[in-house]
Amino acid sequence: DQQVKQNSPSLSVQEGRISILNCDYTNSMFDYFLWYKKYPAEGPTFLISISSIKDKNEDGRFTVFLNKSAKHLSLHIVPSQPGDSAVYFCAASSTGNQFYFGTGTSLTVIP
Amino acid sequence: GAVVSQHPSWVICKSGTSVKIECRSLDFQATTMFWYRQFPKQSLMLMATSNEGSKATYEQGVEKDKFLINHASLTLSTLTVTSAHPEDSSFYICSAQGTRGSRGTGELFFGEGSRLTVL
Repeated sequence: DQQVKQNSPSLSVQEGRISILNCDYTNSMFDYFLWYKKYPAEGPTFLISISSIKDKNEDGRFTVFLNKSAKHLSLHIVPSQPGDSAVYFCAASSTGNQFYFGTGTSLTVIP
Repeated sequence: GAVVSQHPSWVICKSGTSVKIECRSLDFQATTMFWYRQFPKQSLMLMATSNEGSKATYEQGVEKDKFLINHASLTLSTLTVTSAHPEDSSFYICSAQGTRGSRGTGELFFGEGSRLTVL
């Protein structure tokens, strides 16, 4: 049973525009959420996190939004750059427990 | 900017050697640190929970003699993979949790991970 879902396997965005990656979860006990970025042949790189006490966390061009009532998480990248092209995974857990990852969304930023 | 730093980010070693990975909280005191291991295309698996000044609590199935965890100070925890073998090759991630007094929220912050490749 997939507890974390990324329903869009791929996304293409023009350079300079906003990229929005979405993630849905089913477990209401989840209270920590992460986004990871993965380039081919490399391990995942931690991008940004958010805890359930917040609804927004911003780090440079990356902002994560959390809608607890909808059990929905999104990552906004503004402005998008070609170097952002990668696979993005969201992950969720309840404190101190195993993280559950989504299946990833492949982002392509077109120059 | 990063509030938890992991070092090294990538390490390659020969089979039989030991490798140490450091996890540092940069601007807060972390009373609790967690170590995770991620296998390809799988979720993060919690390996152990370490509290400053006490022995780590290992999850079931994790060999404590192989994965030595030391949390000697409020800003540093180390994971030592002893006598590493190729099957230990993985991506290891730490996270640090501050007290309410340090960051005000007790939030959990993640390191960027360390990729271990054992030849």
